[in-house]
Amino acid sequence: DQQVKQNSPSLSVQEGRISILNCDYTNSMFDYFLWYKKYPAEGPTFLISISSIKDKNEDGRFTVFLNKSAKHLSLHIVPSQPGDSAVYFCAAHNSGGSNYKLTFGKGTLLTVNP
Amino acid sequence: KAGVTQTPRYLIKTRGQQVTLSCSPISGHRSVSWYQQTPGQGLQFLFEYFSETQRNKGNFPGRFSGRQFSNSRSEMNVSTLELGDSALYLCASSIPTGAYEQYFGPGTRLTVT
Repeated sequence: DQQVKQNSPSLSVQEGRISILNCDYTNSMFDYFLWYKKYPAEGPTFLISISSIKDKNEDGRFTVFLNKSAKHLSLHIVPSQPGDSAVYFCAAHNSGGSNYKLTFGKGTLLTVNP
Repeated sequence: KAGVTQTPRYLIKTRGQQVTLSCSPISGHRSVSWYQQTPGQGLQFLFEYFSETQRNKGNFPGRFSGRQFSNSRSEMNVSTLELGDSALYLCASSIPTGAYEQYFGPGTRLTVT
């Protein structure tokens, strides 16, 4: 049972345009969401996060939007740069109970073309 | 501040052998988590340790085990290796209070032949 889904395995965008990566979740107990970027042969790097009490969080070129009613979040990258080409993972956390783990989606490969 | 380190970076083993992977967390981080990444499967949670105690375990067979030492360093062990255990094994550390960002090491690439 996949609780965090990234339905687009890949996305290709032109340099300077907006990249939108999507993520859906099924577990309503998730209350904290994160995005990670991963280059080949490296570990994932934390990008940005959002708490369920917010609907938007912005950090430079990166903005994450959360729609709790739709159980959907998205990562916007504006403007996209070739160095943004990587696999992006969406992750979710349930801070209640004794759940000390992140649940990850399968990732979306973003390619930004010069 | 030094990041999460994992050793070895690459490992080749044969079926039936066992393997031990090591992880040193960021200084001051007391929670260490392990994940398995295989092509097309994202990151699958293995287990999490805090203060030498396993607090959570993923859905993996008992061949996968781990431990944490008093200095927060952690090891994971896989016994009786199978071909399907070939994967990138990632360790992440965090301060388990408030926000829950985890910081990952570069991983150990395990190949089972």
